[in-house]
Amino acid sequence: AQTVTQSQPEMSVQEAETVTLSCTYDTSESDYYLFWYKQPPSRQMILVIRQEAYKQQNATENRFSVNFQKAAKSFSLKISDSQLGDAAMYFCANYKLTFGKGTLLTVNP
Amino acid sequence: DVKVTQSSRYLVKRTGEKVFLECVQDMDHENMFWYRQDPGLGLRLIYFSYDVKMKEKGDIPEGYSVSREKKERFSLILESASTNQTSMYLCASSPSMNTEAFFGQGTRLTVV
Repeated sequence: AQTVTQSQPEMSVQEAETVTLSCTYDTSESDYYLFWYKQPPSRQMILVIRQEAYKQQNATENRFSVNFQKAAKSFSLKISDSQLGDAAMYFCANYKLTFGKGTLLTVNP
Repeated sequence: DVKVTQSSRYLVKRTGEKVFLECVQDMDHENMFWYRQDPGLGLRLIYFSYDVKMKEKGDIPEGYSVSREKKERFSLILESASTNQTSMYLCASSPSMNTEAFFGQGTRLTVV
């Protein structure tokens, strides 16, 4: 089975600071997508950002960006200028929609 | 906007009951998924379907079955509910493989 590993069960960050959430994955494919999802306390899961493996450039969506290291099979999420509304569970997922165990992000005012 | 609707947000059932969790999507997506979410375990795939009447077992199918008679609807069935099936259940759909999934609001099922 293809695995997705998030090694940080919990993280905290000060408002306006930057935080990086880690994710590693396992695949034998050469071309695939990877995803980060956010689940706020309201529990509606929403897509944060998507990375295509064949693209060299790291994906960016406003304050959210990824650091994609294909050879290392690493796909971390960087949140810049953290806001209180960023507090949520964050899940990394592979192209088969296998999810990691999640990282609970707390944002401190 | 894609909408994935789960029939109930909260459900309480008795041990041994047959339980149906319904999920409907309105974007003509090929793929539909049922996940179970438990603290510390993330989302675990129960079943998925890539077409009408087609289904594939996920990582934890034991104790569950599914039905997809129409493209827009994917039902999860607990044949005989047990207390260890108390959990949050999430339904999702996606247009095709290798694309993002859209999720419903989740159903918190308690089996007593």
